[in-house]
Amino acid sequence: EAQVTQNPRYLITVTGKKLTVTCSQNMNHEYMSWYRQDPGLGLRQIYYSMNVEVTDKGDVPEGYKVSRKEKRNFPLILESPSPNQTSLYFCASSLGPYSNQPQHFGDGTRLSIL
Amino acid sequence: AQKVTQAQTEISVVEKEDVTLDCVYETRDTTYYLFWYKQPPSGELVFLIRRNSFDEQNEISGRYSWNFQKSTSSFNFTITASQVVDSAVYFCALSEAIKASGDDKIIFGKGTRLHILP
Repeated sequence: EAQVTQNPRYLITVTGKKLTVTCSQNMNHEYMSWYRQDPGLGLRQIYYSMNVEVTDKGDVPEGYKVSRKEKRNFPLILESPSPNQTSLYFCASSLGPYSNQPQHFGDGTRLSIL
Repeated sequence: AQKVTQAQTEISVVEKEDVTLDCVYETRDTTYYLFWYKQPPSGELVFLIRRNSFDEQNEISGRYSWNFQKSTSSFNFTITASQVVDSAVYFCALSEAIKASGDDKIIFGKGTRLHILP
């Protein structure tokens, strides 16, 4: 089954404790992206990647890191999480190296930073 | 700069009524793509439609229809004879194909929460 898999689905942690949210897709998609969803703010793009070893900042990259060492994986790293990063996070992938194709989303990861 | 505005934060209609969700966008590019996504109460994000800037034909898919008007920079979404299962948050999104700025971001609107009342 074609899918984007995020882990964990839920995480409660404390300020400053490094965490990684994994994202993997099995569709051989080139474009991958991370979003955060906050009430009243909609979906905002954090980082995106057009292909292996190519990553770029979205609109809200502060406090996040990503890597794209393999085509299928695009982990989101919070080196020193803070409470303002409490949010619902979505990973997505799409066919082709550009953003002009429909996004396939993971089920989301709800992060709470205390 | 890219911008997507969904001015309707929340809409409630009674089942079987028609409802239109508005989406207004801003872009400097002549080639761009517009999308609509649905997020039902279960939380997943589901792709509904993609439209490129050169295709102004309106599209109909069952009870759903989309009206793309470049003259007003709008890409509105209408649900005809609404049903309770249409209750969801709907997002409009924009991607610019010619990356003059060098980036390849996707910009989403803030979403419209639609309540279909039985």
